[in-house]
Amino acid sequence: EDQVTQSPEALRLQEGESSSLNCSYTVSGLRGLFWYRQDPGKGPEFLFTLYSAGEEKEKERLKATLTKKESFLHITAPKPEDSATYLCAAYHTGFQKLVFGTGTRLLVSP
Amino acid sequence: DSGVTQTPKHLITATGQRVTLRCSPRSGDLSVYWYQQSLDQGLQFLIQYYNGEERAKGNILERFSAQQFPDLHSELNLSSLELGDSALYFCASSVSSGNEQFFGPGTRLTVL
Repeated sequence: EDQVTQSPEALRLQEGESSSLNCSYTVSGLRGLFWYRQDPGKGPEFLFTLYSAGEEKEKERLKATLTKKESFLHITAPKPEDSATYLCAAYHTGFQKLVFGTGTRLLVSP
Repeated sequence: DSGVTQTPKHLITATGQRVTLRCSPRSGDLSVYWYQQSLDQGLQFLIQYYNGEERAKGNILERFSAQQFPDLHSELNLSSLELGDSALYFCASSVSSGNEQFFGPGTRLTVL
């Protein structure tokens, strides 16, 4: 069964304290791995798409990487405004749908 | 702003009633997706339309139905509503299947 698992469920950081969020997937025929940011009560905001192992993408304090089994979202020197839930999702070619993980709730304290 | 619009923002209704949620995709996007997000379930894929045709189905109940119109806007119809249908309903759009999806602001449905 296709699964996307994110860890940790919740993460509390001090401002400036770098860390990584993990997304592991068991999806055959993976076509893409997507990262989103979601603020409470809002729609998910697209961050990155990764297509192949070894690929990396960066945006401000965020960097996403992909291996054959998992993806990491690295947050460098986070600020309080980075507090949100980060979702990853895997796209399965055969079923043509995005399978979402349950997310990591990140709280960055000043 | 993702460019995807959804109406209404909030909907409060009673059990047994029927509601319609509306979504307009980003300009140029042919695919529209519907998701349900409740506190204990996370984001659940319901259904996808591509250029007016149903393309993929997820965990959509028989009481729910959707369609995509020639102008590419989409509607999600929820009928015989139950308390458990209370959730955030998101619409997303993309150029085609497999591309990044852009989400709308959502409709919060409360069933009393």
